[in-house]
Amino acid sequence: DAGVTQSPTHLIKTRGQHVTLRCSPISGHKSVSWYQQVLGQGPQFIFQYYEKEERGRGNFPDRFSARQFPNYSSELNVNALLLGDSALYLCASSFPSYSPRQGGRRDTQYFGPGTRLTVL
Amino acid sequence: DAKTTQPTSMDCAEGRAANLPCNHSTISGNEYVYWYRQIHSQGPQYIIHGLKNNETNEMASLIITEDRKSSTLILPHATLRDTAVYYCIVRSLMDSNYQLIWGAGTKLIIKP
Repeated sequence: DAGVTQSPTHLIKTRGQHVTLRCSPISGHKSVSWYQQVLGQGPQFIFQYYEKEERGRGNFPDRFSARQFPNYSSELNVNALLLGDSALYLCASSFPSYSPRQGGRRDTQYFGPGTRLTVL
Repeated sequence: DAKTTQPTSMDCAEGRAANLPCNHSTISGNEYVYWYRQIHSQGPQYIIHGLKNNETNEMASLIITEDRKSSTLILPHATLRDTAVYYCIVRSLMDSNYQLIWGAGTKLIIKP
């Protein structure tokens, strides 16, 4: 089975430009999360979408936006790029399931290979 | 902020068991312990997770102390391909919490 796929693999943009990153989740997964990872640090949460609705948002400016499509794929958009937006952008998919016996949701996030964005 | 503390780096000889510790002294009853690893410049790879019982899968074993304040990830026979940054994450699975909060992880180097 195919894992999470992301496109493009690498991207170079200049300051002020706009970028769109794409993610296709594992077949059957309905939730997609986006993370930003700058060099030397762990990933930071940006968004999560489930059933086309935003279910969580990290501490990122409004320049960052995302959406999820009926086929559960997702796009992350970043406007007015800054040098500090240079990072590895990771997409993770999961199949949330509810388990009252275990106190709530159960899902494991599986990550794609990432898109390396360089802003010059 | 991440709820876990891990050593910055560790070495292990190829073929030996690699034991990676993680402290999570403020863990609450509904929080799971997740382990991921990230090989250089690739996406994180899920390894294993657990609540309070020890867990084992084809990749690793997870040992959680009885008080749940710490855990150890065990790679039974480390190979050079296990060289990576290993992240220990504590995560609530209540409906309102969707994100994974990552610390700096442990850089594990497997030596020939």
